[in-house]
Amino acid sequence: QKEVEQNSGPLSVPEGAIASLNCTYSDRGSQSFFWYRQYSGKSPELIMSIYSNGDKEDGRFTAQLNKASQYVSLLIRDSQPSDSATYLCAVRDGGSQGNLIFGKGTKLSVKP
Amino acid sequence: KAGVTQTPRYLIKTRGQQVTLSCSPISGHRSVSWYQQTPGQGLQFLFEYFSETQRNKGNFPGRFSGRQFSNSRSEMNVSTLELGDSALYLCASSNGERGIGETQYFGPGTRLLVL
Repeated sequence: QKEVEQNSGPLSVPEGAIASLNCTYSDRGSQSFFWYRQYSGKSPELIMSIYSNGDKEDGRFTAQLNKASQYVSLLIRDSQPSDSATYLCAVRDGGSQGNLIFGKGTKLSVKP
Repeated sequence: KAGVTQTPRYLIKTRGQQVTLSCSPISGHRSVSWYQQTPGQGLQFLFEYFSETQRNKGNFPGRFSGRQFSNSRSEMNVSTLELGDSALYLCASSNGERGIGETQYFGPGTRLLVL
């Protein structure tokens, strides 16, 4: 069974620090990777997508992908209390199914 | 563009009843995927509809079913509700073209409570 693993946390960082969220996946055929943010009681909201090895930056967010190690990460620079949420890593099934497989999420808490 | 909409937002049902949830995708999107989210299991894939056909199915019992209409709106139905069906039901829309950049956007969800 194809799996996406995340540390459930909670990950607690002080305001202004860098938050580092990690994700590993089992399907070597996966080509598309996504990070979603979910506030308590709300639905997931797309933050970033990444398809190639290396880094992709968007504002305070940087996604990193290493397909050889089957590892995706999300860095949040200058963390703010408003970043406190659960972060979901999603990987597209590399086989014929093509659906998204989600990790269970990492809960991030940014302390003022 | 308007986002994904789901109705109703909240539902309370009793065991044994059935329920129908509705999802309207982003204009131009032809794929609708449904997920169940519970605190213990996280986001679990139910099924995907594309061009009125079920294209993909997760590992849920036959009590969970769905359909898609010609305007891409989708419904999911759960029959003979069980207490364990209490969850947040999310739908997500995408263009469905299976390109490397195909991205899913979520609706606000329907929170179902089964008593």
